[in-house]
Amino acid sequence: DAKTTQPPSMDCAEGRAANLPCNHSTISGNEYVYWYRQIHSQGPQYIIHGLKNNETNEMASLIITEDRKSSTLILPHATLRDTAVYYCIVRVANRDDKIIFGKGTRLHILP
Amino acid sequence: EPEVTQTPSHQVTQMGQEVILRCVPISNHLYFYWYRQILGQKVEFLVSFYNNEISEKSEIFDDQFSVERPDGSNFTLKIRSTKLEDSAMYFCASNRERVEQYFGPGTRLTVT
Repeated sequence: DAKTTQPPSMDCAEGRAANLPCNHSTISGNEYVYWYRQIHSQGPQYIIHGLKNNETNEMASLIITEDRKSSTLILPHATLRDTAVYYCIVRVANRDDKIIFGKGTRLHILP
Repeated sequence: EPEVTQTPSHQVTQMGQEVILRCVPISNHLYFYWYRQILGQKVEFLVSFYNNEISEKSEIFDDQFSVERPDGSNFTLKIRSTKLEDSAMYFCASNRERVEQYFGPGTRLTVT
């Protein structure tokens, strides 16, 4: 079962920052926080992952609290193309570890 | 940018028929996966494959399912005798050591 809790849905205005929260209070010391998204009827797409430090790439930023029990994915300037289901996943970064998807957060970007 | 490809994009079959779903993983990847997503439900892990053998499989992956890497590029999922409840999107994924999994666009399987 998924070890994370996410709100089922969120709205964000186009051009604004989208902040997606995730709780993972039972995370283990060797587990990373991963974020994937799934645009309607497409395959899941990797966004970002981190262990304990904040991370940033061309798609998003990941802010992990100091106790690692929660995190926030930030899409700095949301566009309509960011409308998708966003999955927060905790897992050990093994080479061939399966991904267990939860229900995620359905993000609606409003024009 | 390299990507995982899957064929066909949509497969319609009759109950009891065999289907083979095909995937071409990213060329330097060594670990391969199949997932499925029934309409409106979560993405579910089916099987992982490494070094020409199954690494792990879920309860869904019963004797009706099999996987194969017949050559250096393709990775296939076979369902021997399809059931109505096998109707779903099937996603292939691949990765290499310490790199995130890349997913294909999926094959929509409809069993009538």
